[in-house]
Amino acid sequence: DQQVKQNSPSLSVQEGRISILNCDYTNSMFDYFLWYKKYPAEGPTFLISISSIKDKNEDGRFTVFLNKSAKHLSLHIVPSQPGDSAVYFCAASGPQGGSEKLVFGKGTKLTVNP
Amino acid sequence: NAGVTQTPKFRILKIGQSMTLQCTQDMNHNYMYWYRQDPGMGLKLIYYSVGAGITDKGEVPNGYNVSRSTTEDFPLRLELAAPSQTSVYFCASSPGLEAFFGQGTRLTVV
Repeated sequence: DQQVKQNSPSLSVQEGRISILNCDYTNSMFDYFLWYKKYPAEGPTFLISISSIKDKNEDGRFTVFLNKSAKHLSLHIVPSQPGDSAVYFCAASGPQGGSEKLVFGKGTKLTVNP
Repeated sequence: NAGVTQTPKFRILKIGQSMTLQCTQDMNHNYMYWYRQDPGMGLKLIYYSVGAGITDKGEVPNGYNVSRSTTEDFPLRLELAAPSQTSVYFCASSPGLEAFFGQGTRLTVV
């Protein structure tokens, strides 16, 4: 039973355009969401997070949007750069949960074409 | 800044052999974790520790053991390797919610 779903295994965009990566979750108790980026042969690196008390969090070119009623979050990258090509994982955590409670999606491979 | 260091990076084991995956962090984080990532899948938690001397099972602990004698080190032990343990293993540490990952160990059991 997948509690965190990333339904698009891959996404390809042109350099300079917007990349939108989507994530759906089923557990309404999740209250903290994170995005990780992973390059080949490296470990995941933390990118951006959002608490359920917010609906938007911005960090430079990266913005995460949370729609609690739809149990959906998205990561927007604007403008996309070739160096953004990586696998992006969505993760969620429940109330009073630390990192041990993180549930990861399967990831979306983003390719940004020059 | 070393962060989280895992050794070895690659290993091939024969069925029934044992080995220890090493993990060290220099950020003084209390929380440490072991995950595995199978092809096309997300990360699954094997074991975690909230501090020296304290460990607990995650989602997929069978076939593994851990110990945490110091804040810095969190080794993962495979006692009787099985083909189902072929995976990429990631160690991570965290001060809270945002985990910092090592580069991973690619393990193949044949």
